[in-house]
Order: sequence, then structure tokens, then C-alpha cells
Amino acid sequence: ETGVTQTPRHLVMGMTNKKSLKCEQHLGHNAMYWYKQSAKKPLELMFVYNFKEQTENNSVPSRFSPECPNSSHLFLHLHTLQPEDSALYLCASSQETGFVWNEQFFGPGTRLTVL
Amino acid sequence: AQRVTQPEKLLSVFKGAPVELKCNYSYSGSPELFWYVQYSRQRLQLLLRHISRESIKGFTADLNKGETSFHLKKPFAQEEDSAMYYCAPPQANQAGTALIFGKGTTLSVSS
Repeated sequence: ETGVTQTPRHLVMGMTNKKSLKCEQHLGHNAMYWYKQSAKKPLELMFVYNFKEQTENNSVPSRFSPECPNSSHLFLHLHTLQPEDSALYLCASSQETGFVWNEQFFGPGTRLTVL
Repeated sequence: AQRVTQPEKLLSVFKGAPVELKCNYSYSGSPELFWYVQYSRQRLQLLLRHISRESIKGFTADLNKGETSFHLKKPFAQEEDSAMYYCAPPQANQAGTALIFGKGTTLSVSS
């Protein structure tokens, strides 16, 4: 599959569960991002990785833990989430973060529901 | 910190009418701005960027530094333009191009 893929597409979990979201990009990019899209707030940047190094963490609670083993894969590990964490989680990639004109390519998102 | 404002949550127009989706930003340096679009059941995608000065699907956006605006315009709306539109300047930090998004404007074009 081409572009940016995300699995699973839908996830329902309890507050005590541990789960992981996966993102994979097939574009040869070096930067990957996690965004949160909830109904009542604008798209929020969560994490940025450039060449596998985390360069940005927008004060995200520690119950969200990112992992970037290589430039093509990005994970978001979830544990002890709260119902307010229910949202659409979007992954994106770009060539790298060093140029302001780089287009970001988005995945379809994972719809997360926390019960 | 960089901020972006899209004052309209919903904009409804008739087919063939002109469209203007407003975006205002705060930025201390020379800005690079993007418009992203999300059609129903499709992923978020780039519509146009300021630096390329292209017209995509009939849309244009002019950067007005005096008014700090980057409004998206189209002279004649089509039904297929119905979507969610996000104005997005890059975040001004040493990390570079992480985008920050406005709240978005839903454009509804009816016949």
C-alpha cells in the first residue's frame, strides 16, 4: 500500500487497558507526526520525530508514549487513558522538518474510544 | 507562539456563488502558510501553499501581511467543494515544520 497507513482504524479500550497505534509511511520521508483531532478542539500536534529523533512534545500527558524505531514506522503506546482521550488520532509524514514548505501527508486516522 | 484563527465554523453557499474562507494568523517572522482540506470520508490533504502561488481546483489564497490574513477564495463554488478546510501555518520553533491548525471551516455548497 502506498502513502501513510494506520492500524487499527477503530479501537475501543477501557481505562485500564494498554494498546498501541501503528503508523507506517511508504513515501521515503524522514519526519513523522502524531496529531489528535477531537470534536471540540482543533487539530492538536502531539509529537514530532525527525530522522527517528523526537523533536517536539507538545506537553502531552505521559499516558501517551510515542516510539519511532525507524523513519518508516511510528507507534503511539496508550495506557490508563481517560474518556476525554477519545478522538481521532492522525499520523502524518513529510520529507523532514527542516524546510517550512514541506507538505505533510496524512493517514486515515485511528478512531479511539475510551470507555 | 504561533496562532491561527478561522472565525467561521460553517459557511453555506449556493453553487456558483463566490466563496471566501477566512484565516488570520499571528507570526513574528516571514510566514509560510498552507490550506488543507478534508473531504467526506477522505484523509486530510494539502490544498495549496502560499509559497507555490498555485491555483488548485480554482482556489487561491493571498497572503496579506498587513492584515495578517491568508483567506481562501474561489469565484464560483461547486458542490464537490463541500468539505472541511483548515488553515495551517508552520509552528515557529527550531523543529521546523510541524503544523498548527485552525479550528477549521466547514464549507457546504448546495444547488
